[in-house]
Amino acid sequence: IAGITQAPTSQILAAGRRMTLRCTQDMRHNAMYWYRQDLGLGLRLIHYSNTAGTTGKGEVPDGYSVSRANTDDFPLTLASAVPSQTSVYFCASSDRQWEQYFGPGTRLTVT
Amino acid sequence: AQTVTQSQPEMSVQEAETVTLSCTYDTSENNYYLFWYKQPPSRQMILVIRQEAYKQQNATENRFSVNFQKAAKSFSLKISDSQLGDTAMYFCAFMKWPGAGGTSYGKLTFGQGTILTVHP
Repeated sequence: IAGITQAPTSQILAAGRRMTLRCTQDMRHNAMYWYRQDLGLGLRLIHYSNTAGTTGKGEVPDGYSVSRANTDDFPLTLASAVPSQTSVYFCASSDRQWEQYFGPGTRLTVT
Repeated sequence: AQTVTQSQPEMSVQEAETVTLSCTYDTSENNYYLFWYKQPPSRQMILVIRQEAYKQQNATENRFSVNFQKAAKSFSLKISDSQLGDTAMYFCAFMKWPGAGGTSYGKLTFGQGTILTVHP
């Protein structure tokens, strides 16, 4: 593979359930990001990681957690999903100050 | 905090014609980047063009060019000779200059998006 993969492609989840969205990159990029996309709001940053072992909060972090145990993986966890977390989620990575590569996205519906 | 505003939710254009998408932003930063991203129905995010704020010359990439007005905080995208494949959602995005050093990475702030439809 080359680039960023995300799994699952789409998911329907009952409210209150726990869910982990997976993101893996094979480019050995230091920085990784999670965004959510909502109609009329564009993409908003949830969490980011500048390097393995470190994470930071973005614009809309509430209800989400991340970890960065190694360079390649950056999972996003919803501990107890709520309907307002229905969205399309994008993972991205970067090895340069300004350039970000995006994954194909995960469409999540919380019912 | 930075904000990015795209005031045109939808635009349409005839094939081979020219269309301009608008974007304004608000920031107190002096050094930053501005971007236009394209998202076709496949959902993939594709970088169209990038502008560094310190450069006075407007960026161009083939049929795509920008009109960057730093004082007015305006950053419009012009698509010339529109093609059916240009049909997509277009996002304007801002990135504060992340600073020097190998561990400095920028974070994007996106506008709401403009849906562009190119008609045959």
